[in-house]
Formats: sequence, structure tokens, C-alpha cells
Amino acid sequence: AQTVTQSQPEMSVQEAETVTLSCTYDTSESDYYLFWYKQPPSRQMILVIRQEAYKQQNATENRFSVNFQKAAKSFSLKISDSQLGDAAMYFCAYRSSGGSNYKLTFGKGTLLTVNP
Amino acid sequence: DTGVSQNPRHKITKRGQNVTFRCDPISEHNRLYWYRQTLGQGPEFLTYFQNEAQLEKSRLLSDRFSAERPKGSFSTLEIQRTEQGDSAMYLCASSLASPSGGSEKLFFGSGTQLSVL
Repeated sequence: AQTVTQSQPEMSVQEAETVTLSCTYDTSESDYYLFWYKQPPSRQMILVIRQEAYKQQNATENRFSVNFQKAAKSFSLKISDSQLGDAAMYFCAYRSSGGSNYKLTFGKGTLLTVNP
Repeated sequence: DTGVSQNPRHKITKRGQNVTFRCDPISEHNRLYWYRQTLGQGPEFLTYFQNEAQLEKSRLLSDRFSAERPKGSFSTLEIQRTEQGDSAMYLCASSLASPSGGSEKLFFGSGTQLSVL
């Protein structure tokens, strides 16, 4: 079974600065998808960014980018120019591309605080 | 696109009572998922529907739990004889199945927070 580990329960960053959230995962599969979700106090999970494992190029969405290291099974999220609205729980998630590709396996999350 | 809607937002019940939650997915989405999230944890998969067919149930879903999706539209999750350990947030998500499968985007609702006293 796949597992996702987020080793940082909490992180903080100054507004306009850059922060990196860590995520590692364990899988025996060669093809899969990785995601970062944001969960603000409103509780609704919002997709931030996704990465296909077969793509070597790191995904980027505006101020959000990932550092995907397939051999190391590492998938970190970098938030540049942090804004107050970025404060939330961030979850790393894994999804198989094979037969069980219907479900996401989440890490425990990292609570990000943005200081003005 | 009105998003995924879940009702009620909060539910407080006494141990032993039955509760039912409702999820209204995005209208054209054919896949619907239920997840459970406890404090300090990430969401855990419970069950999944493709149209009206329930295709997978997690081991977390005991016999006291039942989910339905009649006519492939809204879904209900019922918990019978609730226990204090059932206290959690129950999240619903929907998606439109794509040929590539895993790259499809899930849209989540805001969840139903269940407290069992």
C-alpha cells in the first residue's frame, strides 16, 4: 500500500517570502500522480498543483511550484511571494494510475501560517 | 458550476442514533467519493461511485455504514448506531472520469462535521 509522509506539522513564513513544504511517499508503482491540496478554515479542499510521475518537468502554477524527485520519492511544494490568503492546511496526496486510480492517499498535512 | 454541496454542515447526535448525510456533486460528474477526516489527519478514503454503482468500499467502512447514489446523482452516507469514534468530518468529492484516469480533477465539498456525544 502506498503511504504519504509530511514531516512538518507546522510551518510559518513572512508575507512576500518563500516557503517550501516537504512530502515523501512510498510506492512500488512506476506511474502515478501526485497532488498538493489546500484546506483553508472553510474546510473545502482545493487543488493547488498536480504532477504526473512520467513527466520529468516540475509542475508550476503561478506562485506555486513543485520539486519532484522520483528516485528519492520526494515531492515538495514551494510557495513564492507568500500571501496572507495562503494560510491553510496543505496536504500532499498520491493517486495510482493503475487499477485503483480512483482514490487519493493523503499525508497528515502541514499547517502553514503567514505572518504579516 | 455550483460546486459540490454537502448537508448538513454540522451534525451533533447521541451515541446509538442513526445519522444521514447528503452530497450533491457537480451535475455532469460521474464519479463521487466519500472521505473521512479526523482531527490532525488527512482525509481517508471510504467509498467510491461510478454513476450509480458503488465500486469500492474501504475497510474503514464498517457494516454500520452504508452509502447510496440513486440514479447517479446525489449520494447519501448513513451511519447506524453511531459511536463516539465516528466523530469526524465527512467529505464528499466528485469528478468527471477521464480516459487517462488518475489525472482527473477532484472537487471537494466543505464537509459535514459529525460529533457523537
